[in-house]
Amino acid sequence: QQPVQSPQAVILREGEDAVINCSSSKALYSVHWYRQKHGEAPVFLMILLKGGEQKGHEKISASFNEKKQQSSLYLTASQLSYSGTYFCGIYQGGSEKLVFGKGTKLTVNP
Amino acid sequence: GAGVSQTPSNKVTEKGKYVELRCDPISGHTALYWYRQSLGQGPEFLIYFQGTGAADDSGLPNDRFFAVRPEGSVSTLKIQRTERGDSAVYLCASSPTGQGTKTGELFFGEGSRLTVL
Repeated sequence: QQPVQSPQAVILREGEDAVINCSSSKALYSVHWYRQKHGEAPVFLMILLKGGEQKGHEKISASFNEKKQQSSLYLTASQLSYSGTYFCGIYQGGSEKLVFGKGTKLTVNP
Repeated sequence: GAGVSQTPSNKVTEKGKYVELRCDPISGHTALYWYRQSLGQGPEFLIYFQGTGAADDSGLPNDRFFAVRPEGSVSTLKIQRTERGDSAVYLCASSPTGQGTKTGELFFGEGSRLTVL
């Protein structure tokens, strides 16, 4: 049931773009994206809901393909502050449980 | 304002001992969650409280793990007879309503790092 994230790691230079993917084998109600810096709390980035609604805090875009049960997070013109591990969490209905992927480690170098 | 607060930030214990980990959610948040994060892994769901009651405890690994939230605010995760495999970062999160997972945002604390020797 755990979603699969790809790539596992990516290294960028400041200003470059990246795409992080998340796929599930089961139908999804919503997909959540969080970023976690080393030793810190995961921080909410965005939620994508079935039906097309999106809610987020930052200038980060994402897509949600309900039929393919996939989501992608698009990081454009990356900044040093984007470095961290990105997790997708999927909500499949039922209880209030998010199932997280193993994460994608993003490193942005000057 | 204050975020989710977890204490202790670090706990080292010996195999077989009992530990308690505390979570103080954001004031007014009715939903509270415990997750466990092992090295190199994403957070793994343990238990969810709506108010004082555990609405879903399906993620607790076995009966050595127990959590309470007696007044609908602070929560304590209790682990009996700790084992080396319990070593992990235990994360607490809160949400303003019980729809935090379905439609909204979880606010995570920085976690309690548990090391069982």
